[in-house]
Amino acid sequence: DAGVIQSPRHEVTEMGQEVTLRCKPISGHNSLFWYRQTMMRGLELLIYFNNNVPIDDSGMPEDRFSAKMPNASFSTLKIQPSEPRDSAVYFCASRTGVLLQETQYFGPGTRLLVL
Amino acid sequence: AQSVAQPEDQVNVAEGNPLTVKCTYSVSGNPYLFWYVQYPNRGLQFLLKYITGDNLVKGSYGFEAEFNKSQTSFHLKKPSALVSDSALYFCAVRDYKLSFGAGTTVTVRA
Repeated sequence: DAGVIQSPRHEVTEMGQEVTLRCKPISGHNSLFWYRQTMMRGLELLIYFNNNVPIDDSGMPEDRFSAKMPNASFSTLKIQPSEPRDSAVYFCASRTGVLLQETQYFGPGTRLLVL
Repeated sequence: AQSVAQPEDQVNVAEGNPLTVKCTYSVSGNPYLFWYVQYPNRGLQFLLKYITGDNLVKGSYGFEAEFNKSQTSFHLKKPSALVSDSALYFCAVRDYKLSFGAGTTVTVRA
C-alpha cells in the first residue's frame, strides 16, 4: 500500500489567497483526520471524519477553514482567505475504524507558508 | 479528558547507550497508548502501542515501551541508541481520537 498520500508537499502563497490541501487515505480506512503542527502549539487535531461524515470539527480554527470528504478515497482542507499565521505543516491521517486499538497512519504532510 | 505528558523537551545520549523517553498519562478507564516518531521533514511514523496484556511492548526499529499502571507511565526505551534514532518522539493516548504529548527531541551523538 502506498500509505496516506498528501498533495502538495509544499505550498507557498500570499496572504488572502485560497489554499487547498488534498489527502488520499489508505484504501479500506474509513476514519480520516486532519492535523496541524506548529512549533508553538504542537500537533492539533483540526477535524475528524468517519465514513465520510465530519464527526468532530471543534479544532477548526475559524470559518476560514473548511474540510470536505466527498468520498472514501479523497479529502480536502481549504483555507480561504489564508493568513500568515496559518503557516504550518498540515498532516492527514487515517485508520480503519473506531475500535480503540486500531493504529492511525500519517501522511508525509503539506508544508504551508503564507507570506 | 484523556491526556499524556512528556516531561522532557530534549534527551541527549551517546550512541550505544540506553535511551529512555518518558511519558505519563491521565485517563478514565483502560488506557490505549501509542508512540510515534517524526524524522525531520517527514510525517509521523507508528512505533508501537499498548492495548492490553504484557506490560512490555515491543515495536519497530528495536524500540520497546514499558506500561506501568501504578505510576501511570508508558516510557519508550531502546537498549542501545543509534545516531539514526535522532528524531522527535510523540506519546499519544486514544479515546475516539489521538491526543498527543508535546514531543521529545532525541539527539544521539556519535
